Amino acid sequence: SQTIHQWPATLVQPVGSPLSLECTVEGTSNPNLYWYRQAAGRGLQLLFYSVGIGQISSEVPQNLSASRPQDRQFILSSKKLLLSDSGFYLCAWRGTKNTGELFFGEGSRLTVL
Amino acid sequence: GQSLEQPSEVTAVEGAIVQINCTYQTSGFYGLSWYQQHDGGAPTFLSYNALDGLEETGRFSSFLSRSDSYGYLLLQELQMKDSASYFCAAALPGAGSYQLTFGKGTKLSVIP
Repeated sequence: SQTIHQWPATLVQPVGSPLSLECTVEGTSNPNLYWYRQAAGRGLQLLFYSVGIGQISSEVPQNLSASRPQDRQFILSSKKLLLSDSGFYLCAWRGTKNTGELFFGEGSRLTVL
Repeated sequence: GQSLEQPSEVTAVEGAIVQINCTYQTSGFYGLSWYQQHDGGAPTFLSYNALDGLEETGRFSSFLSRSDSYGYLLLQELQMKDSASYFCAAALPGAGSYQLTFGKGTKLSVIP
């Protein structure tokens, strides 16, 4: 069966520090992968998605970047965090049964101070 | 731009039926999904409508009308554990793939 994991689960970072969130998927090959951000009490904002190694589409210009160095690995990064980067970051892969079905990881809660 | 509108909060009584509406304005549209998210957790997939009509999965049903750019999620026989946020999401074309654009969510509170 397919599984998705992301880490770290929680982190507190100072403004101006770098960020790296990792996501890996097991049990499937060439998955479509997504990074979303959710501010407290808000909806999910699509940040990046990837259809394959080295292929990244950005939806919102921002302080963040994404990379896909391996087929089942998706990384979200920042060189210098801003206060507004705080939020709940969710990695997801798209299932093959339904176009509209995403499987989400456990999430990474980032607080920038 | 792409937008989905849904009520911010709904309160319903245990055992009752509740309907959460979603209207959308998008360029390009493949279908409408619904997700459930409990506080502190990740969203989980509930249903997907690619065609007009009603899809039923246990106590949950989802409806889509493409001509009205409208859908809804129907929850029957409400239980306390159904208290959560519910998101509609439109499946849209993207570069080489599909992408989901989410509404802001409806917080459902089930009361005894």
